[in-house]
Amino acid sequence: EVQLVQSGGGSVQPGGSLRLSCGASGFTFNSYWMTWVRQAPGKGLEWVANIREDGSEAYYADSVKGRFTISRDNVQMSVSLQMNSLRVEDTAVYYCARSRVMYCSGGRCPSGYWGQGTLVSVSS
Amino acid sequence: IVLAQSPGTLSLSPGERATLSCRASQTISNNYVAWYQKKPGQAPRLLVYGASNRATGIPDRFSGSGSGADFTLSISRLEPEDFAVYYCQQYGSSPPLSFGGGTKVEVK
Repeated sequence: EVQLVQSGGGSVQPGGSLRLSCGASGFTFNSYWMTWVRQAPGKGLEWVANIREDGSEAYYADSVKGRFTISRDNVQMSVSLQMNSLRVEDTAVYYCARSRVMYCSGGRCPSGYWGQGTLVSVSS
Repeated sequence: IVLAQSPGTLSLSPGERATLSCRASQTISNNYVAWYQKKPGQAPRLLVYGASNRATGIPDRFSGSGSGADFTLSISRLEPEDFAVYYCQQYGSSPPLSFGGGTKVEVK
């Protein structure tokens, strides 16, 4: 069974940092793109970042570029999101997700499995 | 690519048909559009990919259609568990991959 279990998150002041992690099981982790998506309170879904199977490519939303870094550890079967210079508008529930299929081209793939979500709250 | 979903809210009764629209600011390559269902406190659930392919385990009352820049998600007969917010997503261009603003299907 595919499982994505998220950890990290919490409350932080503006300008602070947090690291989210997502542990995977039940599938060949190093064959799938992984993605982070967020949902601010009362708002819609926002794509944040994704990373290639081997970690050699990563893409970011303009809203987080230069502040967030996505990474993965294929031995530990986990993906992380390092969030620096956090802003109030980064407050959201963050989800990690797995691409629907293996080896999708250029990160262009929908997400077929999702973690449970973790809340990040940025306020002074 | 900007995705515009309409209507913002759809008020229907169980058993009725729901038709949700997703319009893109430009043609989406290979009709790479996905639809997700989102309920409060739950993770999104993939319903449709490639504009018209149902994801694993999705009931056949859900169907996707469309091409180019206009896409539709239809729910033939609303079940109580179908009342939720629905999002389209394009993945036809290189990331970032965008979502539409969502359509809420609520009980009339």
